[in-house]
Amino acid sequence: DTEVTQTPKHLVMGMTNKKSLKCEQHMGHRAMYWYKQKAKKPPELMFVYSYEKLSINESVPSRFSPECPNSSLLNLHLHALQPEDSALYLCASRQGFVRSPLHFGNGTRLTVT
Amino acid sequence: EDQVTQSPEALRLQEGESSSLNCSYTVSGLRGLFWYRQDPGKGPEFLFTLYSAGEEKEKERLKATLTKKESFLHITAPKPEDSATYLCAVQTSRGNTGNQFYFGTGTSLTVIP
Repeated sequence: DTEVTQTPKHLVMGMTNKKSLKCEQHMGHRAMYWYKQKAKKPPELMFVYSYEKLSINESVPSRFSPECPNSSLLNLHLHALQPEDSALYLCASRQGFVRSPLHFGNGTRLTVT
Repeated sequence: EDQVTQSPEALRLQEGESSSLNCSYTVSGLRGLFWYRQDPGKGPEFLFTLYSAGEEKEKERLKATLTKKESFLHITAPKPEDSATYLCAVQTSRGNTGNQFYFGTGTSLTVIP
C-alpha cells in the first residue's frame, strides 16, 4: 500500500462543475507535487509545494488551483474543466534533501464530460 | 532544453530472457536519476536513485547503472510479474530549487510465460 493517499479514486464531472482532489501523507515530507498523466504518456509536472509554499507552477491553466493547507495535505481545486483535462492526477511527496525520491499515490482518475 | 528519452518504447521478453532498458538524458545540473515501475491504473513505484557516473544499484532481478549521459535498467531472468511500464526521471537544479522531476516516456515491458 502506498503511504500517499489520494481521494477520490475516480471522479466524473461536467464542464460546469467545481470539484476538488485531495492528497494526504504522514511521512513528514515537506515537498508535495501534482502531476497529470494521460494514457500511455509519462507524468507531467503541474505544481510543486515546498514547505507549504507554491514553488513551481508549470504554466498550468487557472482552471486548476492548488492549495496546501498544511504540510500533510494537498488539494487540487477544479473548475470549468475541458474534456481534454481527463487524465490520471497523481500526487507525490518527498523529503526536502537533495536526491530524495518522489513517493506517489495511486492517483485520481478524472473524466470530464 | 532538458530532455529525457527512453528506449525501447515497448519490449516483449520470454520468461528468463534477460535484457536492458535505456534512459538517455540531456539536462543542465543533474542532481539525481530515478527509476520507477508503474502498473496500470497505479502510481509510479520508486525503485532506485543514482547520482554519480559508475554507480550501480540492485534489487532482486533489477540492476540500475549510470553513466554521464545515460542509465540502464538491466533485468535478469525476468518473470511475468515484472511486466509493467518502467519510467526514469531526472531531478535538475533548474530554477535553483532542486524540486523539478521530469520523466522519460517509459518502456512498457511484457514478460511472457
